[in-house]
Amino acid sequence: QVQLVQSGAEVKNPGASVKISCKVFGYTFTAYWLHWVRQAPGQGLEWLGRIDPKSGGTKFAQNFQGRVTMTRDTSISTVYMQLDTLTSDDTAVFYCARGANGKFDYWGQGTLVTVSS
Amino acid sequence: QSALTQPASVSGSPGQSITISCTGSSSDFGDYNYVSWYQQHPGKVPKLMIYDVSNRPSGVSNRFSGSKSGNTASLTISGLQAEDEADYYCTSYTTSSTYVFGTGTKVTVL
Repeated sequence: QVQLVQSGAEVKNPGASVKISCKVFGYTFTAYWLHWVRQAPGQGLEWLGRIDPKSGGTKFAQNFQGRVTMTRDTSISTVYMQLDTLTSDDTAVFYCARGANGKFDYWGQGTLVTVSS
Repeated sequence: QSALTQPASVSGSPGQSITISCTGSSSDFGDYNYVSWYQQHPGKVPKLMIYDVSNRPSGVSNRFSGSKSGNTASLTISGLQAEDEADYYCTSYTTSSTYVFGTGTKVTVL
């Protein structure tokens, strides 16, 4: 069955970068875009961007342009999201989600990133 | 890109129907029907409830329905049940080829 499995929780200092992975199972890796969504504590969902695993092409939300990078490794069916210059406002749960014609039909379990000195 | 506007909270008694609105601009929705709705229980992963404005994924109760008129999409939950108590988020594909989520609505079953 389709599964998206994310890497574990991270604790980072302000100004650092974080790189989270999302490994997919149960479908052809290159057939669907993968998206990244974050949720700060007690707050709503926020779309960061997406990557096309086939081409490596990306699209980011304006708020994250220049600070986020998304890459993939097709040999291990894994996508990565790196967020730079972290501040305490970036403390959140980050989700990867499979995109299928405008909907996010499968989600990873979430990765908590805590930014604190 | 600002979030789509949803009411912060909506409540209803068991068996009643409630409707959650999701309002944006023409650039938020464009000419697409890529509006979807997600249910999130506390501490859980969001779950797809409605896609393409009004379609239900397999396994989602037919008590959930969606619609859209102009720049406002809506989610209706009929026959409200205790298990429906959760946060709900809309999202849309925009004319900038990005996605935008709604501000989220907390549904309380009285």
